Amino acid sequence: AQSVTQLDSQVPVFEEAPVELRCNYSSSVSVYLFWYVQYPNQGLQLLLKYLSGSTLVKGINGFEAEFNKSQTSFHLRKPSVHISDTAEYFCAVREAAGNKLTFGGGTRVLVKP
Amino acid sequence: AAGVIQSPRHLIKEKRETATLKCYPIPRHDTVYWYQQGPGQDPQFLISFYEKMQSDKGSIPDRFSAQQFSDYHSELNMSSLELGDSALYFCASSYGLTSGGGADTQYFGPGTRLTVL
Repeated sequence: AQSVTQLDSQVPVFEEAPVELRCNYSSSVSVYLFWYVQYPNQGLQLLLKYLSGSTLVKGINGFEAEFNKSQTSFHLRKPSVHISDTAEYFCAVREAAGNKLTFGGGTRVLVKP
Repeated sequence: AAGVIQSPRHLIKEKRETATLKCYPIPRHDTVYWYQQGPGQDPQFLISFYEKMQSDKGSIPDRFSAQQFSDYHSELNMSSLELGDSALYFCASSYGLTSGGGADTQYFGPGTRLTVL
C-alpha cells in the first residue's frame, strides 16, 4: 500500500511571489506521481505527472515539480503566482501496475494581492 | 476537448433514500473510476470498471453498487443513504486500464455533490 503526505495544509502567498507545495510519499513498489488542482466548486484538473525519465516535470499554468527518489518527494513549484492560482492542490500516487489513485490531504493555496 | 460528464451536479436526498449518479466518460475512453471526497477530505477510491467489468474495488460500502454499460457510461447506485454519505463524488476516465499499462492518466469530471439530510 502507498501513502501520501502533503506537509502544508494551507499556504498563503502574495501575488507574483514564488510558491512551493511539499509532497512526500511512501510505497514498496514503483509508483507514478501526479499533481491535481481543484478550483472552488470544481473538479480535479491534472497539473502534471511523473512517469519516468527526467525528474523535472513541467505542467500547465507555469507549474513544475521535481521527483526525488531518494527523498521520496515530489514537490510542486511555481516561480510567480497569480490570484487565479488560488485553489486546493492534491498530490497523488498510483502504483505503476495499479488503478487506484491515492491522494494526499491537499494544500490550500491562497494568493493575496 | 470533450471532458467527463457527470449528472446530476447536485443532489439532495433524505436519510434512507436511494440515489443514482451517472458518469459519461471522455469519448473513446473505456475505463471509469469512482472516487468519494468527504468535506475537507481528500478523494478516496471507490471502484473502477474496464470494458463493463469491475476491475478494482476500494472502500465502497456494501450499500453502494455500480456498473458500466455498453456505451461505457457508468452509474453509481447508493441505497439506504446515511448522513455520512454526503460528499462530492467524482468520476474519472481513461482509455485502457492504468493497471494494464494502457493508460497513465485518469481524467476527472466536475463531480456530483450529494447532500443527505
